[in-house]
Amino acid sequence: DAMVIQNPRYQVTQFGKPVTLSCSQTLNHNVMYWYQQKSSQAPKLLFHYYDKDFNNEADTPDNFQSRRPNTSFCFLDIRSPGLGDAAMYLCATSRVGGEEAFFGQGTRLTVV
Amino acid sequence: SQQGEEDPQALSIQEGENATMNCSYKTSINNLQWYRQNSGRGLVHLILIRSNEREKHSGRLRVTLDTSKKSSSLLITASRAADTASYFCATENNFGNEKLTFGTGTRLTIIP
Repeated sequence: DAMVIQNPRYQVTQFGKPVTLSCSQTLNHNVMYWYQQKSSQAPKLLFHYYDKDFNNEADTPDNFQSRRPNTSFCFLDIRSPGLGDAAMYLCATSRVGGEEAFFGQGTRLTVV
Repeated sequence: SQQGEEDPQALSIQEGENATMNCSYKTSINNLQWYRQNSGRGLVHLILIRSNEREKHSGRLRVTLDTSKKSSSLLITASRAADTASYFCATENNFGNEKLTFGTGTRLTIIP
């Protein structure tokens, strides 16, 4: 029944070692979002895809990249994780046309 | 970057009382949405109100929107211990790219 699935739920990576987080959806939504959420803070938008258009937030570090090979899958790549990148990473999807977003359970990233 | 500010940052009330949270935002919007987040989990959509609507109800939830003041409020009536969570407003801009940005959130604690 899960509609937006994030893998893994918990990820531990070494300082500076590239890591990839994944998100898949069964809703066939055209819009996908990646958010970073640090402890007790609001989700911060990193990227979003509006149909085929990729939107990169101006303050998203260059260290972060995203790929969306097809409608169902989206990846967040962190090229050289630093201690400050430890956070919950949330993926969400929505239909085009101003509709609610559906969130995955998130991936909690720890950098050691 | 955050679009909205919420107040209060934290709210504690007795079970059965009503809880009101406020959200202010900066730019023109297509719609405003409220989400709930239990600790360490993904976000769950509660209610969406479009820019041409002024009030909306869903069960024990009542949302108002004042676009002239760029503000919204969420009222939870007859609160229950299970309502304890963080609540976030999120705004979708009207630039046509479905960008969804979150406010700072209110941490609600219901005391049994």
